[in-house]
Amino acid sequence: NAGVTQTPKFQVLKTGQSMTLQCAQDMNHEYMSWYRQDPGMGLRLIHYSVGAGITDQGEVPNGYNVSRSTTEDFPLRLLSAAPSQTSVYFCASREQGRETQYFGPGTRLLVL
Amino acid sequence: GDSVTQMEGPVTLSEEACLTINCTYTATGYPSLFWYVQYPGEGLQLLLKATKADDKGSNKGFEATYRKETTSFHLEKGSVQVSDSAVYFCALWEAGNMLTFGGGTRLMVKP
Repeated sequence: NAGVTQTPKFQVLKTGQSMTLQCAQDMNHEYMSWYRQDPGMGLRLIHYSVGAGITDQGEVPNGYNVSRSTTEDFPLRLLSAAPSQTSVYFCASREQGRETQYFGPGTRLLVL
Repeated sequence: GDSVTQMEGPVTLSEEACLTINCTYTATGYPSLFWYVQYPGEGLQLLLKATKADDKGSNKGFEATYRKETTSFHLEKGSVQVSDSAVYFCALWEAGNMLTFGGGTRLMVKP
């Protein structure tokens, strides 16, 4: 199993540009989520999904959209990038009823 | 709501020194508690967990005991190695919710 994969690893955007961060898992996990990691603030939940077709907002959803058309994929869209969205983004998944989350390697995003 | 507070870093130790990273939590129910580790340039990996009061999680020489009376889950290791240099995150999970993370503690171990 590849586990949780994320692309790209690193991206530079200009303010106002849009892009999609990709996340995929091959463990057939129902739950998937997106976090952003900022210095001194730990990981903050952006959006999450409890299954295909179902998404919900986390702690810091503004400026981001998600969709979950398949169990495997959970892309994160930045509609109009802002410098405040410079961060490291992690995707995670877990099995329904189990506590342990599995994290992808992260995407480092720089918005100029 | 749920929250996790952990000691700020960085923590700098010499090889073979003892390590303690403090973690306290606030939760409405009976959460499961976790320590995740992030090595340089990588994502988070589960280090250990405990699911009920007085449980002790352990892995790779690290230990943490779920203390309900003090709402704590401190991470300990008796003798750290250079390879333990990483960022450590304490986290909690309550059924029906998502993981709540602390701010992370960077550990640097010098030879």
